[in-house]
Formats: sequence, C-alpha cells, structure tokens
Amino acid sequence: QVQLQESGPGLVKPSETLSLTCTVSGGSINNYYWSWIRQSPVKGLEWIGYIYYSGSTNYNPSLKGRVTMSVDTSRSQFSLRLTSVTAADTAVYYCARPWTIWGQGTLVTVSS
Amino acid sequence: DIQVTQSPSSLSASIGDRVTITCRASQDINNYLHWHQQTPGKAPKLLIYAATTLQSGVPSRFSGSGSGTDFTLTISSLQPEDFATYYCQQSYGTPYTFGQGTKLEIK
Repeated sequence: QVQLQESGPGLVKPSETLSLTCTVSGGSINNYYWSWIRQSPVKGLEWIGYIYYSGSTNYNPSLKGRVTMSVDTSRSQFSLRLTSVTAADTAVYYCARPWTIWGQGTLVTVSS
Repeated sequence: DIQVTQSPSSLSASIGDRVTITCRASQDINNYLHWHQQTPGKAPKLLIYAATTLQSGVPSRFSGSGSGTDFTLTISSLQPEDFATYYCQQSYGTPYTFGQGTKLEIK
C-alpha cells in the first residue's frame, strides 16, 4: 500500500529556510494532489498547501508568501520550503495524500 | 477562511457509552466535511469522509451525519481503542481548515 515518509532537518535557525521532502512509496505520485499539514500545541492542525503531480499549487495565505512546494515525479517525491522561519513555525510537519494517507510526521524546531 | 468549531473540547465517557461530537462550519460547506482520529504520537487517521461515508477498514460503530453547516460524529459503543482526539476538517474551500479537536477520555 502507499506510504509516505517525511525527511529533513529537525532543527532550523530563526530567519533561515525550512526544507522537507516527502517520499511516496508503494504507489504512483501521478494523478494525485499532495498536501503538507503541520501541527503545534498553539495552532492545532494547520493546512499549509497542496501540490498536484503536474506542479500546480495552492498555499495557505496565512503563511504570507513564505511557502514554496515542488514535485519530482521521477523520484516520487514532493517538497516543502518555508522561508524566514520563527519560533512560531515549530511544529510536527506531515505530508499527506488528502485525506486517506499520512506520513508519520517529523518534528521541526526553530531555535538558535 | 471557513471556520469549523467543534464541541465539546473534551469529553469523559465509559466503555460501551454512546458519544456524539459536533462540528459547526461558519458557512454552508455542503458535505465537504471529514472526521479524523488521532492518538498520541501518531498522524491523524481518516474515519469518515464526505460527512457520512465510512472510510474502508473503520469499524461500523463510527458514523457521521449532517450537511450544510452542522455535522456530528457518533460512536455507538465506545471501545478502549477509541480514546483519542477527534478532529473535523472542511475541504469545501481553501484554505482547508480543521476544528480544534475533541479529546475523548476514559471516565
């Protein structure tokens, strides 16, 4: 069955860029939308955005233009970049195929 | 943004009880409402989609109802593995939004 696995640094310094990758295994990345969601004690579950396998995107306006998503179908991966991070971006980040398949989540802490 | 508001925020119940969690959307979202279950340290798990459709593999004691702005999740007879946090989520319009969660605890 399809599985998702997030990867990337667990610690990012303030003002720097958070970068995460989600690898899709056990199925095709094609013909699906793929999302990033984060969860923190303060904000709860927050949808960050989605990317279609063709590359079209839709982002949450609350992130004020700091988000970029990309997809590499040859590697069955899609990625998240979040710039100018602050402590408020500390959260568990999930990738998902809305809404049936989720990755296990990865904790990203923003701290110097 | 479409707000989804759950109630209660927490709930104590016993094994075998019937429990209901409600979710209200700030505007008509038709049936674009889904319910997720989350246990500590795990990702959310989809229970019900499109307000009333049980996801494959989910026990039939879970059911969903509603349309428009008012929705409910019902667990007909609580089992030990059901003690978790439940979230509603709308996908009628972006940004997709989640409720604040209902923590179901053992009485």
